[in-house]
Amino acid sequence: GNSVTQMEGPVTLSEEAFLTINCTYTATGYPSLFWYVQYPGEGLQLLLKATKADDKGSNKGFEATYRKETTSFHLEKGSVQVSDSAVYFCALSDLRYSSASKIIFGSGTRLSIRP
Amino acid sequence: DAMVIQNPRYQVTQFGKPVTLSCSQTLNHNVMYWYQQKSSQAPKLLFHYYDKDFNNEADTPDNFQSRRPNTSFCFLDIRSPGLGDAAMYLCATSGRQSGANVLTFGAGSRLTVL
Repeated sequence: GNSVTQMEGPVTLSEEAFLTINCTYTATGYPSLFWYVQYPGEGLQLLLKATKADDKGSNKGFEATYRKETTSFHLEKGSVQVSDSAVYFCALSDLRYSSASKIIFGSGTRLSIRP
Repeated sequence: DAMVIQNPRYQVTQFGKPVTLSCSQTLNHNVMYWYQQKSSQAPKLLFHYYDKDFNNEADTPDNFQSRRPNTSFCFLDIRSPGLGDAAMYLCATSGRQSGANVLTFGAGSRLTVL
């Protein structure tokens, strides 16, 4: 079945460091790929998405490119801030209905940024 | 602001005592989902409503039930909570306006079972 595997955390970086969180997936067909972020005490929020191979999703300085050949969707940011401290979830969609889909999440990576 | 609101944010119950968690949305989304998230694990889909149609995941225990009386509200009922049901329960919605793949989440309800 479909699955998502992401880099285990926690990841601790200093402010302004470069960030990479690895994510690989297993899927039949052509899923859409996502990164969701969960700040302390809050629900998950969509950070970025890509719907087809070679698409690049970007938001708030974060980027991820849909790589079909390596089945990967790694999250990157060139210069992290303390406010980026959160748990990051890689996910894929299994579109079963015209307006509903089963989103499969990775286990999450906790990111902590030191001032 | 349009949003997804879950109540209560924190629920403490005793082993075997029924619990109901609620979710309301002002987005007019036609799909509502319930996820269970245990500590340091991925959110796990329990079931979802596509309009009024209920869709249960194959591995969701019978102990978990859901009701959707109207478009705006959805409830998660845990009939006889066990210690293993302690978790964060996340409600999410999606709709034709936002695109089928984009979920909007509530802040979650954290359940503790004593």
